[in-house]
Amino acid sequence: KQEVTQIPAALSVPEGENLVLNCSFTDSAIYNLQWFRQDPGKGLTSLLLIQSSQREQTSGRLNASLDKSSGRSTLYIAASQPGDSATYLCAVHRFYNTDKLIFGTGTRLQVFP
Amino acid sequence: DTEVTQTPKHLVMGMTNKKSLKCEQHMGHRAMYWYKQKAKKPPELMFVYSYEKLSINESVPSRFSPECPNSSLLNLHLHALQPEDSALYLCASSHDDKGYEQYFGPGTRLTVT
Repeated sequence: KQEVTQIPAALSVPEGENLVLNCSFTDSAIYNLQWFRQDPGKGLTSLLLIQSSQREQTSGRLNASLDKSSGRSTLYIAASQPGDSATYLCAVHRFYNTDKLIFGTGTRLQVFP
Repeated sequence: DTEVTQTPKHLVMGMTNKKSLKCEQHMGHRAMYWYKQKAKKPPELMFVYSYEKLSINESVPSRFSPECPNSSLLNLHLHALQPEDSALYLCASSHDDKGYEQYFGPGTRLTVT
């Protein structure tokens, strides 16, 4: 059974810091991996999708890497801002006949001014 | 445009009521999903529709009844719910069910009294 864990569970940092959020999965036979952010009581916003054949993906101040062999993905946030405060979720696409997203436990990030 | 819309935003219903949640996308996506999210937990998959046919039912109780009338619309019919069914219900869509990026709606906050 695929299990997805995120470390740390919570993080509080001053504005301007560069951050690394970690995601680990137990079964390396994943299809793709997707990172989301979720603001309190809101839906999920897709940040990045890394295909299984890729090692990293970049969007603005965000960079996500994927190492399937070690069962890890990291989300790097450069020059953090208070607006980055949210919960960040990674999710692995487990595809056999139909795609299923298996979500991680989440990292709750607070960036203070 | 990567927008998925959901109505209503909030719903309060008694255990004997019948209500429906609605989800809509106009991105031409052929896969649509229902997720349930309890407070401080990651989303859990409930149903997957692929090309308007139900492809995954994650052993969801029959008091939840999904419907996909056309490729743009997804409904979740609710009947005789329990207080423990109170949660945020999220709809998502993707190009198809083969591991593409999933886009989420803002969710419906359901309270069962």
